[in-house]
Amino acid sequence: NAGVTQTPKFQVLKTGQSMTLQCAQDMNHEYMSWYRQDPGMGLRLIHYSVGAGITDQGEVPNGYNVSRSTTEDFPLRLLSAAPSQTSVYFCASSFTGDSGIAQHFGDGTRLSIL
Amino acid sequence: SQQGEEDPQALSIQEGENATMNCSYKTSINNLQWYRQNSGRGLVHLILIRSNEREKHSGRLRVTLDTSKKSSSLLITASRAADTASYFCTSGGTSYDKVIFGPGTSLSVIP
Repeated sequence: NAGVTQTPKFQVLKTGQSMTLQCAQDMNHEYMSWYRQDPGMGLRLIHYSVGAGITDQGEVPNGYNVSRSTTEDFPLRLLSAAPSQTSVYFCASSFTGDSGIAQHFGDGTRLSIL
Repeated sequence: SQQGEEDPQALSIQEGENATMNCSYKTSINNLQWYRQNSGRGLVHLILIRSNEREKHSGRLRVTLDTSKKSSSLLITASRAADTASYFCTSGGTSYDKVIFGPGTSLSVIP
């Protein structure tokens, strides 16, 4: 049972490049989300999804797109990378139905934009 | 969405001492959860306490909830160097909603 898998683990981009961060879970969780964490800071919610075909914005959605075509996958797209998007990105998932459900986190993608 | 805010921002203690950190929230909640983040890793769920509970234990962890003060505390007893991490709280309502975390408490346990 792999849990939440994020790829790649590390990535360096140039300003203006685009890329997709992958997130997959094998727990049949309805809820998936993306966070970014800047050095010494807490997590900020970028986008989230409560099921396949449904996505919504979090606290800091600008510059990022998401889609949820399957229950398992929730990719995060950077359309035109900017240095301000240098951060560690975490994907998380859980069941829904009761707000008191533990989130499962991946180990993160460390993204540097030059 | 619901969010908690942790206090203090940073805490440094000697190994064997107890560590207490607090979480405050603003609206009525159904439950409150605590998570731990070791350096460079994703968050790990520690414990959940529901609004009709006042105290909950899990190993060396003790969580209290005071709904009249809209606050919770996490106590780690007999701390170990391995407890060095950041600790976050998040609160939930009666229906499922986006999960937002506070800035966290950074705990350093000195051997």
